[in-house]
Amino acid sequence: EAGVAQSPRYKIIEKRQSVAFWCNPISGHATLYWYQQILGQGPKLLIQFQNNGVVDDSQLPKDRFSAERLKGVDSTLKIQPAKLEDSAVYLCASSLAPPGQLAKNIQYFGAGTRLSVL
Amino acid sequence: KQEVTQIPAALSVPEGENLVLNCSFTDSAIYNLQWFRQDPGKGLTSLLLIQSSQREQTSGRLNASLDKSSGRSTLYIAASQPGDSATYLCAVNNYGQNFVFGPGTRLSVLP
Repeated sequence: EAGVAQSPRYKIIEKRQSVAFWCNPISGHATLYWYQQILGQGPKLLIQFQNNGVVDDSQLPKDRFSAERLKGVDSTLKIQPAKLEDSAVYLCASSLAPPGQLAKNIQYFGAGTRLSVL
Repeated sequence: KQEVTQIPAALSVPEGENLVLNCSFTDSAIYNLQWFRQDPGKGLTSLLLIQSSQREQTSGRLNASLDKSSGRSTLYIAASQPGDSATYLCAVNNYGQNFVFGPGTRLSVLP
């Protein structure tokens, strides 16, 4: 079974530039998550999709971050314009169902995209 | 608001030792709790998932326990090996809410 695929693996940009990340979840997984992980901290949820609809984006800085999941499969996360504090690893994860719906609902993570904003 | 802490932040042990990693959470009304492993430059790998009705889960040399009333979970690693060196994170899922992660414990097992 193929895992969660993310690209690119690394990205270096200057502040005020734009950047986009791509995620392809495990086939059949209805729920997709984007997390931001700052060095030394645990992942923080940015947005959760259920199929192609947004379930939770309460922690997404909507003035600069946007995400979409067209056709309920692949997803892109965009930052425009980037700030220095956006330097982090952006992790994509997927699961069969939303949290709380299945007792054994394991999240599977991609390798992440490491973003450096200079 | 759920808050998750992990102690210690870092741990270094000689190979072969048994060790315990701790996870504490403030809101005991959880649905389940997961322990993850993260290797440098890589994503997270799920190790164990404990449902709220369970007290513990075991997988090989790993054993995770859950005490909801005290807001604690422990991950026990038996006979540690250098390959166990990684960061271990716990994540808590409250009913109707998303996972909240702890900051992790960075483990080094010395040969």
